[in-house]
Amino acid sequence: DAKTTQPTSMDCAEGRAANLPCNHSTISGNEYVYWYRQIHSQGPQYIIHGLKNNETNEMASLIITEDRKSSTLILPHATLRDTAVYYCIVARGGSNYKLTFGKGTLLTVNP
Amino acid sequence: DAGVIQSPRHEVTEMGQEVTLRCKPISGHDYLFWYRQTMMRGLELLIYFNNNVPIDDSGMPEDRFSAKMPNASFSTLKIQPSEPRDSAVYFCASSLGFSGDPEAFFGQGTRLTVV
Repeated sequence: DAKTTQPTSMDCAEGRAANLPCNHSTISGNEYVYWYRQIHSQGPQYIIHGLKNNETNEMASLIITEDRKSSTLILPHATLRDTAVYYCIVARGGSNYKLTFGKGTLLTVNP
Repeated sequence: DAGVIQSPRHEVTEMGQEVTLRCKPISGHDYLFWYRQTMMRGLELLIYFNNNVPIDDSGMPEDRFSAKMPNASFSTLKIQPSEPRDSAVYFCASSLGFSGDPEAFFGQGTRLTVV
């Protein structure tokens, strides 16, 4: 599975957009990009996933570069409750579906 | 559905004792994952099952750890004998995988303390 690289931590002002980057330069054609987050002491929570097109849901937007070597998770209007560790994961489809978490990015939303 | 249910939520045991952690996945999910989380090592994938069959157990730290999934609605992770370095939060997760929505749902975790 492809490795991912994320900044260790980021800050964001409440109400502003939070843009979390992820590098996955060794991603292969059948691997998807997933984003999860973990709020302190809770189990990780799914946010969004994509293959090559940009995706949007009620929580966030996912922008994947054309060469698929990097992506950005966008929280359009960050709130204090969005303070969490955000994980970018690359995983294959099909029967080899396997979610391996890295260190993630600690996003702190400040009032 | 009540989500992924793990029990117990907290477990304190003495070194050398057997510990069994339990997980009930979401009904209909094909995949079940066991993770361990510590401050030092982060969130580690221990083992995962597809249709009750272990697919990859390369993350299981040593022979003291074993996991079973006797049916689609139940899985256990056993540590025998337990050691203080096994102290961690253990998460179970389930998913439809790519047969449906690949979102994985996590339980609340079991906080294990071995003294």
